[in-house]
Amino acid sequence: RKEVEQDPGPFNVPEGATVAFNCTYSNSASQSFFWYRQDCRKEPKLLMSVYSSGNEDGRFTAQLNRASQYISLLIRDSKLSDSATYLCVVKTGNTGKLIFGQGTTLQVKP
Amino acid sequence: ETGVTQSPTHLIKTRGQQVTLRCSSQSGHNTVSWYQQALGQGPQFIFQYYREEENGRGNFPPRFSGLQFPNYSSELNVNALELDDSALYLCASSLDGNSKNIQYFGAGTRLSVL
Repeated sequence: RKEVEQDPGPFNVPEGATVAFNCTYSNSASQSFFWYRQDCRKEPKLLMSVYSSGNEDGRFTAQLNRASQYISLLIRDSKLSDSATYLCVVKTGNTGKLIFGQGTTLQVKP
Repeated sequence: ETGVTQSPTHLIKTRGQQVTLRCSSQSGHNTVSWYQQALGQGPQFIFQYYREEENGRGNFPPRFSGLQFPNYSSELNVNALELDDSALYLCASSLDGNSKNIQYFGAGTRLSVL
């Protein structure tokens, strides 16, 4: 079983749609959680950290459920520029080693 | 721009050869982590260097080795290259070895092994 599991998609949605991505992680001792965004053939960039209380950044909302070991990302009012791969990332242990999911591909169409 | 630079951007090698990839960390950062990203997969942790010492290693064989210099730049060396080593190699720098610190990625080196 992979340590971090995501549905690879692709998710094809029209502009303006709301789309949700989910992710599960296997290590209950995981300490920090993130969503990174990766454009085609580019490096991953931090989108947002994820907290148990839930957090929002503009059109993006992230949620963590520690009991179910589940992380989500909601994107409202999708833009063409949101098309990318979204990586669910978990940090475990003292070294700061990041464990990435496979990534979920989003394609927003006009 | 994250301030993390990697060189070269692209590289083509043949099986059995050796390769060295380089990374300059963001100013003020003393920790560098290296990741391998195969096509269609998420990045996988290779190892981390904190103040010139290895500070954690992923599930990679010993032919993957690294180094960090006093200026905190880093090298990743891969010996006896195999076809499966073809991937995007990413380095990420962070403020220190503390797990709470955000890691900022460079643009990566794309390695093709023929």
